[in-house]
Amino acid sequence: GESVGLHLPTLSVQEGDNSIINCAYSNSASDYFIWYKQESGKGPQFIIDIRSNMDKRQGQRVTVLLNKTVKHLSLQIAATQPGDSAVYFCAENMEGYSTLTFGKGTMLLVSP
Amino acid sequence: KAGVTQTPRYLIKTRGQQVTLSCSPISGHRSVSWYQQTPGQGLQFLFEYFSETQRNKGNFPGRFSGRQFSNSRSEMNVSTLELGDSALYLCASSSPSGKLYEQYFGPGTRLTVT
Repeated sequence: GESVGLHLPTLSVQEGDNSIINCAYSNSASDYFIWYKQESGKGPQFIIDIRSNMDKRQGQRVTVLLNKTVKHLSLQIAATQPGDSAVYFCAENMEGYSTLTFGKGTMLLVSP
Repeated sequence: KAGVTQTPRYLIKTRGQQVTLSCSPISGHRSVSWYQQTPGQGLQFLFEYFSETQRNKGNFPGRFSGRQFSNSRSEMNVSTLELGDSALYLCASSSPSGKLYEQYFGPGTRLTVT
């Protein structure tokens, strides 16, 4: 598959653990913050989003937290599974535009 | 519904040559964006096309260009290739009725410049 994680921070967890992936964003004027997952050999895949006027949003097994004071975003994955192993990117978006500004990414490795 | 397709998947070119990459968006999607992905710089936005018009452009030199056809298929072109252009080029489309930032990505074209 495609190698995209040569210079990425890595988070290694055991199957069943909860994972927390962090991201510092740059633009305090961004309207939406989004998490994408990229598996080897594939393009990024949308996971969950949060609007800038919210501080928490939950999905299926995932929760995104937004702290605008320190421009920090986190993705929590509950009961991590081997299939969650991938590179995770946070992204910012301005309302009305489709353009995404991506963070550097974190590689998540889940051991059985 | 078929996903975003990109051709070719792999390409090797030499410095100074030019290259054209192709992207077919999901049926019904009219917005197509291109991103460059490298280990050092991560994912960077190149440009976006909507209804055959370039709507947004990232901070890349003029050697990078694109176009979109009436069927929403898009091509990007890189002229006078440099070693630093080696990257994974990703195409993404979004639905006119969905969230603009919910991009559907293709698998990418891996370009290697020697």
